[in-house]
Amino acid sequence: AQSVAQPEDQVNVAEGNPLTVKCTYSVSGNPYLFWYVQYPNRGLQFLLKYITGDNLVKGSYGFEAEFNKSQTSFHLKKPSALVSDSALYFCAVVRSGGFQKLVFGTGTRLLVSP
Amino acid sequence: EAQVTQNPRYLITVTGKKLTVTCSQNMNHEYMSWYRQDPGLGLRQIYYSMNVEVTDKGDVPEGYKVSRKEKRNFPLILESPSPNQTSLYFCASSLSGREAFFGQGTRLTVV
Repeated sequence: AQSVAQPEDQVNVAEGNPLTVKCTYSVSGNPYLFWYVQYPNRGLQFLLKYITGDNLVKGSYGFEAEFNKSQTSFHLKKPSALVSDSALYFCAVVRSGGFQKLVFGTGTRLLVSP
Repeated sequence: EAQVTQNPRYLITVTGKKLTVTCSQNMNHEYMSWYRQDPGLGLRQIYYSMNVEVTDKGDVPEGYKVSRKEKRNFPLILESPSPNQTSLYFCASSLSGREAFFGQGTRLTVV
Protein backbone atom coordinates (compact mmCIF):
# COMPACT_ATOMS: atom_id res chain seq x y z
CA ALA A 1 0.00 0.00 0.00
CA GLN A 2 1.11 3.53 -0.70
CA SER A 3 1.80 6.06 2.02
CA VAL A 4 3.10 9.59 2.28
CA ALA A 5 4.79 11.29 5.22
CA GLN A 6 5.08 15.02 5.69
CA PRO A 7 7.15 15.21 8.86
CA GLU A 8 6.58 18.90 9.59
CA ASP A 9 3.19 20.22 10.60
CA GLN A 10 4.40 23.75 10.01
CA VAL A 11 7.31 25.46 8.31
CA ASN A 12 8.19 29.05 9.08
CA VAL A 13 10.35 31.11 6.75
CA ALA A 14 11.07 34.78 6.22
CA GLU A 15 10.10 36.41 2.96
CA GLY A 16 12.93 36.26 0.46
CA ASN A 17 14.52 33.19 2.01
CA PRO A 18 14.49 29.77 0.35
CA LEU A 19 11.87 27.32 1.53
CA THR A 20 11.66 23.54 1.65
CA VAL A 21 8.62 21.45 2.49
CA LYS A 22 9.52 17.81 3.02
CA CYS A 23 7.79 14.71 1.70
CA THR A 24 8.75 11.06 1.76
CA TYR A 25 6.75 8.27 0.24
CA SER A 26 6.36 4.53 0.22
CA VAL A 27 5.01 2.68 -2.79
CA SER A 28 5.63 -0.60 -4.53
CA GLY A 29 6.66 -0.04 -8.10
CA ASN A 30 7.19 3.30 -9.76
CA PRO A 31 5.53 6.32 -8.19
CA TYR A 32 3.72 9.27 -9.62
CA LEU A 33 4.18 12.16 -7.18
CA PHE A 34 2.24 15.38 -6.80
CA TRP A 35 2.20 18.57 -4.80
CA TYR A 36 -0.98 20.50 -4.13
CA VAL A 37 -1.59 23.79 -2.35
CA GLN A 38 -4.68 24.83 -0.42
CA TYR A 39 -5.45 28.45 0.36
CA PRO A 40 -8.01 29.29 3.06
CA ASN A 41 -11.57 28.41 2.08
CA ARG A 42 -10.43 27.05 -1.26
CA GLY A 43 -10.05 23.68 -2.88
CA LEU A 44 -6.74 22.05 -3.62
CA GLN A 45 -4.75 23.43 -6.52
CA PHE A 46 -2.23 21.37 -8.44
CA LEU A 47 1.35 22.68 -8.23
CA LEU A 48 3.55 20.13 -9.93
CA LYS A 49 4.07 16.44 -10.61
CA TYR A 50 6.74 13.87 -11.22
CA ILE A 51 5.83 11.10 -13.63
CA THR A 52 9.13 10.15 -15.22
CA GLY A 53 12.25 11.77 -16.62
CA ASP A 54 14.18 14.63 -15.07
CA ASN A 55 14.32 14.38 -11.29
CA LEU A 56 13.88 18.13 -10.89
CA VAL A 57 10.42 19.23 -11.85
CA LYS A 58 9.22 22.80 -12.06
CA GLY A 59 5.69 23.89 -11.38
CA SER A 60 3.43 26.83 -10.81
CA TYR A 61 4.30 30.02 -8.91
CA GLY A 62 8.06 29.36 -9.00
CA PHE A 63 7.91 26.11 -7.05
CA GLU A 64 10.01 23.10 -7.89
CA ALA A 65 10.51 19.64 -6.43
CA GLU A 66 13.25 17.07 -6.58
CA PHE A 67 12.52 13.39 -6.91
CA ASN A 68 15.07 11.25 -5.07
CA LYS A 69 14.44 7.58 -5.61
CA SER A 70 17.11 6.31 -3.20
CA GLN A 71 15.74 8.43 -0.37
CA THR A 72 12.11 8.03 -1.51
CA SER A 73 11.65 11.75 -1.17
CA PHE A 74 9.96 14.49 -3.15
CA HIS A 75 10.68 17.75 -1.33
CA LEU A 76 9.04 20.95 -2.46
CA LYS A 77 11.30 23.98 -2.83
CA LYS A 78 11.28 27.61 -3.79
CA PRO A 79 14.36 29.83 -4.00
CA SER A 80 12.70 32.94 -2.58
CA ALA A 81 9.53 32.77 -0.49
CA LEU A 82 6.68 35.26 -0.75
CA VAL A 83 4.16 36.12 1.95
CA SER A 84 1.48 35.02 -0.52
CA ASP A 85 2.97 31.51 -0.49
CA SER A 86 1.53 31.03 3.00
CA ALA A 87 -0.87 28.12 2.68
CA LEU A 88 -1.35 24.43 3.38
CA TYR A 89 0.69 22.09 1.18
CA PHE A 90 -0.06 18.47 0.46
CA CYS A 91 2.15 15.83 -1.06
CA ALA A 92 0.47 12.87 -2.78
CA VAL A 93 1.53 9.62 -4.40
CA VAL A 94 -0.06 7.10 -6.72
CA ARG A 95 1.43 3.92 -7.99
CA SER A 96 1.95 3.90 -11.74
CA GLY A 97 -0.02 1.50 -13.86
CA GLY A 98 -3.76 1.31 -14.20
CA PHE A 99 -6.20 3.04 -11.91
CA GLN A 100 -4.64 3.51 -8.53
CA LYS A 101 -5.63 5.38 -5.43
CA LEU A 102 -4.09 8.79 -4.84
CA VAL A 103 -2.78 8.90 -1.26
CA PHE A 104 -2.14 12.20 0.49
CA GLY A 105 0.11 13.25 3.31
CA THR A 106 -1.28 15.06 6.33
CA GLY A 107 -0.23 18.44 5.02
CA THR A 108 2.32 21.08 6.01
CA ARG A 109 1.35 24.62 6.82
CA LEU A 110 3.79 27.14 5.39
CA LEU A 111 3.97 30.52 7.07
CA VAL A 112 6.04 33.19 5.35
CA SER A 113 6.67 36.24 7.49
CA PRO A 114 7.28 39.70 6.02
CA GLU B 1 -13.48 26.19 -18.41
CA ALA B 2 -12.38 22.83 -17.01
CA GLN B 3 -13.78 22.40 -13.56
CA VAL B 4 -15.20 20.21 -10.84
CA THR B 5 -18.36 21.62 -9.32
CA GLN B 6 -19.63 20.65 -5.91
CA ASN B 7 -22.88 21.68 -4.28
CA PRO B 8 -23.67 22.89 -1.76
CA ARG B 9 -20.59 24.73 -0.47
CA TYR B 10 -21.94 24.85 3.08
CA LEU B 11 -24.49 22.63 4.75
CA ILE B 12 -25.77 22.35 8.29
CA THR B 13 -28.04 19.42 8.99
CA VAL B 14 -29.38 17.36 11.84
CA THR B 15 -28.45 13.84 12.81
CA GLY B 16 -30.24 11.23 10.76
CA LYS B 17 -31.52 13.45 7.96
CA LYS B 18 -30.43 12.04 4.62
CA LEU B 19 -28.43 14.35 2.41
CA THR B 20 -26.67 14.33 -0.94
CA VAL B 21 -23.66 16.34 -2.02
CA THR B 22 -23.43 16.62 -5.77
CA CYS B 23 -20.26 16.60 -7.86
CA SER B 24 -19.96 17.18 -11.57
CA GLN B 25 -16.93 17.44 -13.87
CA ASN B 26 -16.73 18.63 -17.45
CA MET B 27 -13.38 17.11 -18.44
CA ASN B 28 -14.56 13.63 -19.45
CA HIS B 29 -12.39 12.09 -16.73
CA GLU B 30 -12.87 8.42 -15.98
CA TYR B 31 -11.65 8.59 -12.41
CA MET B 32 -13.58 10.41 -9.68
CA SER B 33 -13.27 10.29 -5.93
CA TRP B 34 -14.48 11.78 -2.68
CA TYR B 35 -12.25 12.86 0.18
CA ARG B 36 -12.83 14.25 3.61
CA GLN B 37 -10.38 16.64 5.19
CA ASP B 38 -9.98 16.78 8.95
CA PRO B 39 -7.36 18.69 10.94
CA GLY B 40 -4.20 16.68 11.44
CA LEU B 41 -5.43 13.84 9.25
CA GLY B 42 -4.97 15.30 5.79
CA LEU B 43 -7.26 14.05 3.05
CA ARG B 44 -8.72 10.61 3.38
CA GLN B 45 -10.45 8.91 0.53
CA ILE B 46 -14.07 7.89 1.08
CA TYR B 47 -15.00 6.27 -2.24
CA TYR B 48 -13.70 6.30 -5.74
CA SER B 49 -14.98 5.40 -9.17
CA MET B 50 -12.97 4.19 -12.13
CA ASN B 51 -15.79 4.66 -14.61
CA VAL B 52 -19.55 4.53 -15.00
CA GLU B 53 -21.09 1.91 -12.70
CA VAL B 54 -17.66 1.06 -11.24
CA THR B 55 -17.13 2.22 -7.67
CA ASP B 56 -15.05 1.02 -4.75
CA LYS B 57 -14.40 1.84 -1.12
CA GLY B 58 -11.59 4.09 -0.07
CA ASP B 59 -10.11 4.35 3.40
CA VAL B 60 -13.13 5.67 5.30
CA PRO B 61 -16.32 4.51 3.53
CA GLU B 62 -18.50 3.80 6.58
CA GLY B 63 -21.65 5.89 6.61
CA TYR B 64 -21.38 6.97 2.98
CA LYS B 65 -22.75 5.82 -0.36
CA VAL B 66 -21.95 6.85 -3.91
CA SER B 67 -23.24 6.19 -7.38
CA ARG B 68 -21.84 6.72 -10.87
CA LYS B 69 -24.68 6.52 -13.34
CA GLU B 70 -23.14 9.07 -15.69
CA LYS B 71 -19.52 9.79 -16.37
CA ARG B 72 -19.71 13.44 -15.32
CA ASN B 73 -21.56 13.01 -12.01
CA PHE B 74 -20.50 11.37 -8.76
CA PRO B 75 -22.84 12.23 -5.86
CA LEU B 76 -21.99 11.48 -2.24
CA ILE B 77 -24.90 10.27 -0.14
CA LEU B 78 -25.13 10.27 3.63
CA GLU B 79 -28.14 8.11 4.47
CA SER B 80 -28.13 8.90 8.18
CA PRO B 81 -25.56 11.57 9.00
CA SER B 82 -23.92 11.63 12.40
CA PRO B 83 -21.86 14.34 14.12
CA ASN B 84 -18.59 12.47 13.39
CA GLN B 85 -19.25 13.14 9.71
CA THR B 86 -18.84 16.85 10.29
CA SER B 87 -15.97 17.64 7.96
CA LEU B 88 -14.78 19.36 4.81
CA TYR B 89 -15.50 17.24 1.75
CA PHE B 90 -13.81 17.37 -1.63
CA CYS B 91 -14.69 15.77 -4.91
CA ALA B 92 -11.92 15.19 -7.43
CA SER B 93 -11.56 13.89 -10.95
CA SER B 94 -8.58 12.79 -13.01
CA LEU B 95 -7.30 10.69 -15.83
CA SER B 96 -5.45 7.56 -14.77
CA GLY B 97 -2.11 8.41 -13.20
CA ARG B 98 -2.51 12.11 -13.74
CA GLU B 99 -3.10 15.07 -11.49
CA ALA B 100 -6.48 15.34 -9.87
CA PHE B 101 -8.74 18.36 -10.23
CA PHE B 102 -10.60 19.29 -7.09
CA GLY B 103 -13.89 20.95 -6.40
CA GLN B 104 -14.15 23.92 -4.06
CA GLY B 105 -15.22 21.79 -1.15
CA THR B 106 -18.37 21.29 0.92
CA ARG B 107 -18.26 22.16 4.58
CA LEU B 108 -20.73 19.90 6.34
CA THR B 109 -21.86 20.30 9.93
CA VAL B 110 -24.06 17.64 11.51
CA VAL B 111 -25.69 18.67 14.77
